[in-house]
Amino acid sequence: QKEVEQNSGPLSVPEGAIASLNCTYSDRGSQSFFWYRQYSGKSPELIMSIYSNGDKEDGRFTAQLNKASQYVSLLIRDSQPSDSATYLCAVNSNFNKFYFGSGTKLNVKP
Amino acid sequence: KAGVTQTPRYLIKTRGQQVTLSCSPISGHRSVSWYQQTPGQGLQFLFEYFSETQRNKGNFPGRFSGRQFSNSRSEMNVSTLELGDSALYLCASSSGQGVISPLHFGNGTRLTVT
Repeated sequence: QKEVEQNSGPLSVPEGAIASLNCTYSDRGSQSFFWYRQYSGKSPELIMSIYSNGDKEDGRFTAQLNKASQYVSLLIRDSQPSDSATYLCAVNSNFNKFYFGSGTKLNVKP
Repeated sequence: KAGVTQTPRYLIKTRGQQVTLSCSPISGHRSVSWYQQTPGQGLQFLFEYFSETQRNKGNFPGRFSGRQFSNSRSEMNVSTLELGDSALYLCASSSGQGVISPLHFGNGTRLTVT
């Protein structure tokens, strides 16, 4: 079993819709959770971090964490074509030991 | 604040050669991690250095090695290159203290082995 699991997609949504990206992790001791966006040919860029159960909002992005279910999600409201990218979920289980999911490719259609 | 800087951006090497990649972390960051990214395998963790000591290590052969200098700059070396080493090599820095510090990635070095 992989430490972090993501659906590889592609996830296709129309422009203006809500995109929902999901991630599950295996280590119950995980303490911090991150979402990165990676455009094709570029390096990952940090877009959200979350450390406690519940929702965290930043602009059009909302991260949700449920530690009991070992589940992290990212919602993108009012999706734009520029949001088309691969989204990586990352979990920090032990001290500075990060595990990454394989990423979900998001396509936002104009 | 300047971001993570990786050099060179592109490299073309021949099988059997060796290569050294360089990474300068964000000022004040003491942790540097290295990742290999390929289309089929995603992001694979190579190793992490903190204050010149290797703190974590992934499952890569001994041909892959690294080091960190007193100014937190890091180098990664791959010896006896194989075709399968062709990948995007990413360096990421963090404060390395506390679980809430995220990784910040450089632009990467794209290595092609022919």
